[in-house]
Amino acid sequence: EAGVAQSPRYKIIEKRQSVAFWCNPISGHATLYWYQQILGQGPKLLIQFQNNGVVDDSQLPKDRFSAERLKGVDSTLKIQPAKLEDSAVYLCASSPWTENYEQYFGPGTRLTVT
Amino acid sequence: AQSVTQPDIHITVSEGASLELRCNYSYGATPYLFWYVQSPGQGLQLLLKYFSGDTLVQGIKGFEAEFKRSQSSFNLRKPSVHWSDAAEYFCAVGPFWDMRFGAGTRLTVKP
Repeated sequence: EAGVAQSPRYKIIEKRQSVAFWCNPISGHATLYWYQQILGQGPKLLIQFQNNGVVDDSQLPKDRFSAERLKGVDSTLKIQPAKLEDSAVYLCASSPWTENYEQYFGPGTRLTVT
Repeated sequence: AQSVTQPDIHITVSEGASLELRCNYSYGATPYLFWYVQSPGQGLQLLLKYFSGDTLVQGIKGFEAEFKRSQSSFNLRKPSVHWSDAAEYFCAVGPFWDMRFGAGTRLTVKP
């Protein structure tokens, strides 16, 4: 079974530029999560999708971050415009459903904003 | 609100020695507790989880953890560490859909 795929693996941009990350979850997984992991900290949930609907985006900075999950499969996370403090690893995870199901994490995208 | 504290930022142990990583949590009800491991350049992998029942939980790769409600702790242990265990370890609390992670403990294994 293929795992969660993310691309790109690394990205360097200048502040005020925009960037997008892509996630392909494990086939058949209904729930998809995006996390932000700042260096020295644990992952912080940004947004959760159930199929193609948003379940929780309370910690997503909506003035600059947006995410979508078209057709309930792949997802993209966008930052526009980026700030220095957005430098982090962005992790995508998926699970079959929300109730007591393990999340499977992708390798992450490391973003550096200069 | 739930939260997790991992008091040790970095721990170094010798290969073959025992390991204990500390985790203290704050949660309003009976907690769901997790330990994850993250190797460099990799995503997080679930080592073990506690929902209810037996307070000593066995996980993968020879790890175990003990839930102590009176101490609000969920410490991770391994009797004999291997060089391949060098990684970052995260404790988390809450249901799967709303996990809060600690800041992590980096484990270095000396030959």
